[in-house]
Amino acid sequence: SYELTQPPSVSVSPGQTAIITCGGDRLGEKYSSWYQQRPGQSPVLVIYQDNHRPSGIPERFSGSNSGNTATLTISGTQAMDEADYYCQAWGDSTVVFGGGTKLTVL
Amino acid sequence: QVQLQESGPGLMKPSETLSLTCAVSGDSLSNYYWSWLRQPPGKGLEWIGYINYNGNTYYKPSLRSRVTISLGTPKNQFSLKLTSVTTADTAVYYCALGTNGGSYYHFDYWGQGTLLTVAS
Repeated sequence: SYELTQPPSVSVSPGQTAIITCGGDRLGEKYSSWYQQRPGQSPVLVIYQDNHRPSGIPERFSGSNSGNTATLTISGTQAMDEADYYCQAWGDSTVVFGGGTKLTVL
Repeated sequence: QVQLQESGPGLMKPSETLSLTCAVSGDSLSNYYWSWLRQPPGKGLEWIGYINYNGNTYYKPSLRSRVTISLGTPKNQFSLKLTSVTTADTAVYYCALGTNGGSYYHFDYWGQGTLLTVAS
């Protein structure tokens, strides 16, 4: 079955750039999405189709996808961005999620 | 603005059948695929399956034998049935509206989630 791999945790200082990766076999040939989940809340879509931001998502969130890796980049990270982030793709005729990355803003 | 609200039993015993309902409101609902997902405590997200506005369903293969998703009447709600629950089915269950583009699928709107605990 298709799998997506994320680092369990990423730390960043306020105002710096956070980079969260998501690995999968030929992931660049699929479309990736990213979700933010703050503690106790439902997930929120922050990136879809690799690099599109839904309405209301700040411009500091961006995405890319090439080769075997999709990347979520948060520029000028703010304390409110501290959350779990999940990548997601459509693979092997099913929806697949990565295991999630906890972003800590120190 | 799309809104989703799950409702369910909260606590069940092993071997029972789970029934959850999601009430949906908003515009252009027929444009979306209506999904159920779950998240065990402290763990990641798992997709269960979807139904579209025409009633066509698709389930995660590993859950297919136990899952049924159906539309309500009128078509502003949909339901999940999961048979023979075990403690492994303990999770927060979410309903969500997604976009299916054939080669891509993402979840645009999520409900607040409802916790199901399976215990004897």
